[in-house]
Amino acid sequence: SAVISQKPSRDICQRGTSLTIQCQVDSQVTMMFWYRQQPGQSLTLIATANQGSEATYESGFVIDKFPISRPNLTFSTLTVSNMSPEDSSIYLCSASGDRSDPYGYTFGSGTRLTVV
Amino acid sequence: KQEVTQIPAALSVPEGENLVLNCSFTDSAIYNLQWFRQDPGKGLTSLLLIQSSQREQTSGRLNASLDKSSGRSTLYIAASQPGDSATYLCAVSLNSGTYKYIFGTGTRLKVLA
Repeated sequence: SAVISQKPSRDICQRGTSLTIQCQVDSQVTMMFWYRQQPGQSLTLIATANQGSEATYESGFVIDKFPISRPNLTFSTLTVSNMSPEDSSIYLCSASGDRSDPYGYTFGSGTRLTVV
Repeated sequence: KQEVTQIPAALSVPEGENLVLNCSFTDSAIYNLQWFRQDPGKGLTSLLLIQSSQREQTSGRLNASLDKSSGRSTLYIAASQPGDSATYLCAVSLNSGTYKYIFGTGTRLKVLA
């Protein structure tokens, strides 16, 4: 199945600034997703990253706060904008629909974000 | 709205024990169910995927079962080892078109040497 490289692995940021997280997949995949995992909680889907069009956001998440890009079938970025301490979480990207493993669901190693 | 719950939230067992992790979901109209493992500070690793038409899947010492009608899945780990210590998450996919998953709350497992 696909392998995802996610960067940065962690960061400490000042409130009011923005951070862009990158995910690079080693093969073309149909779907890419962005999740948030708040401390002590499970994963919550932020949005589906659509190639060549605007991302599809889940309830409670908006494009102005979490702009997402997906310029091709192997790469996506998530920006956490105008950060506050409440944005401190682990952010994970995932991919599915790799040709060699169409049902497989691969995750990046995550970005641990701390906002101070 | 689909909700996924895992019991217990945490579990500590001595090495060598067989153990069962439980997952329940409120809406039985699922497409498939996956069990994942998450190590501290790491991403998720897929362990087993069960399609809605299947009743179980096996991989090595792991066996996952699915009872869709009752909204339950179990993950059985045989002869547990300290290296099995991790958080185990189950997730259900709602339909075939979107690949979106709803994740459970997780079971934090510690296997003592």
